[in-house]
Amino acid sequence: ETGVTQTPRHLVMGMTNKKSLKCEQHLGHNAMYWYKQSAKKPLELMFVYSLEERVENNSVPSRFSPECPNSSHLFLHLHTLQPEDSALYLCASSQQRGAGEQFFGPGTRLTVL
Amino acid sequence: GQQLNQSPQSMFIQEGEDVSMNCTSSSIFNTWLWYKQEPGEGPVLLIALYKAGELTSNGRLTAQFGITRKDSFLNISASIPSDVGIYFCAGRSNNNDMRFGAGTRLTVKP
Repeated sequence: ETGVTQTPRHLVMGMTNKKSLKCEQHLGHNAMYWYKQSAKKPLELMFVYSLEERVENNSVPSRFSPECPNSSHLFLHLHTLQPEDSALYLCASSQQRGAGEQFFGPGTRLTVL
Repeated sequence: GQQLNQSPQSMFIQEGEDVSMNCTSSSIFNTWLWYKQEPGEGPVLLIALYKAGELTSNGRLTAQFGITRKDSFLNISASIPSDVGIYFCAGRSNNNDMRFGAGTRLTVKP
């Protein structure tokens, strides 16, 4: 119903693994976002893409690498993560960056062992 | 900075009771949004507010954009068990930054 899908829904990985999270929006929006959600903390904005260009990177460690091949798809590539990176990773989209409401996907629950 | 203080952190109420939660900030926002998140899902938009003083309803939910532009509240009337979840406020400032509150966890006892 939200029009934003994320895969996988759950991911368990070791600290030396490489994995990718995928997000797809079917709403015709031009802006896409990655957020990290940890228990009892506000959502932390990680990356913002507008018309496939990265416009914001909030001091996120380089072990997180985003990719936006087109306005409908967004990836988050993960490499040599730490246990404290375990969290729910949410993708969102909006009509334009800074305008319109953000619509969220269901998230990927990531556990780093 | 543009921190949002959301309260209360959690609420335990009886079915049928009314609920009120709010968000405050030291900064001005030009948009306030309220989301609900259920276990295993992403936040779902409930109400969007765009003007100071605006009062908007969505069924049993009512939200207001504070006149100072630094706060917003959400009321739920006659709560039911399916209202259970975490409610988040979000504010967007003039520089297009979006900030989120830490959430209010609502439990409704039948």
